[in-house]
Amino acid sequence: EDQVTQSPEALRLQEGESSSLNCSYTVSGLRGLFWYRQDPGKGPEFLFTLYSAGEEKEKERLKATLTKKESFLHITAPKPEDSATYLCAVRGTTDSWGKLQFGAGTQVVVTP
Amino acid sequence: NAGVTQTPKFQVLKTGQSMTLQCAQDMNHNSMYWYRQDPGMGLRLIYYSASEGTTDKGEVPNGYNVSRLNKREFSLRLESAAPSQTSVYFCASSPGQGNQPQHFGDGTRLSIL
Repeated sequence: EDQVTQSPEALRLQEGESSSLNCSYTVSGLRGLFWYRQDPGKGPEFLFTLYSAGEEKEKERLKATLTKKESFLHITAPKPEDSATYLCAVRGTTDSWGKLQFGAGTQVVVTP
Repeated sequence: NAGVTQTPKFQVLKTGQSMTLQCAQDMNHNSMYWYRQDPGMGLRLIYYSASEGTTDKGEVPNGYNVSRLNKREFSLRLESAAPSQTSVYFCASSPGQGNQPQHFGDGTRLSIL
């Protein structure tokens, strides 16, 4: 059974204070690892897909990396608008129809 | 671009009442999904529809039924609501095969008293 664990559960940062979020996963074979951002009262918004160990993706102040057992979402010099819950999900090779296993998320608050 | 549209946005029910949550997507996606989101537990898959005409159970299907009305629409029905079904419900869609991401609606916040 695919499993995803995210840490920490919550993170409070000062504006400009860089940090990293962790997503540990177990899956029979990784087809893809997905990062989403979720704002309060909204649905998850897609950020990145990573496919293989060593891969990196960047978008503005966010950078996602992938190893064989975990992924990191690095937030560089965050701004208050980066405050959100960040979700990680995996899709295994046994799945043919796009089903995802989600972690519980990391809630990030960035204060001015 | 509407994407995935869910109705209603909020609903309060009494225990034992029934209700249908509606979801429609305009991206011509093959696969659609229903999730529930509870504090500390993340998104859990209730049912999914790999393609028009098919539906399958996910992780937490008990107490729910679904209908894939056509390629655009996928509804979730609570036949006899229970307080344990108080949650935020999200509908999502994806092309299906391949590694395209799922796209989510903004959810239905359901309270059962």
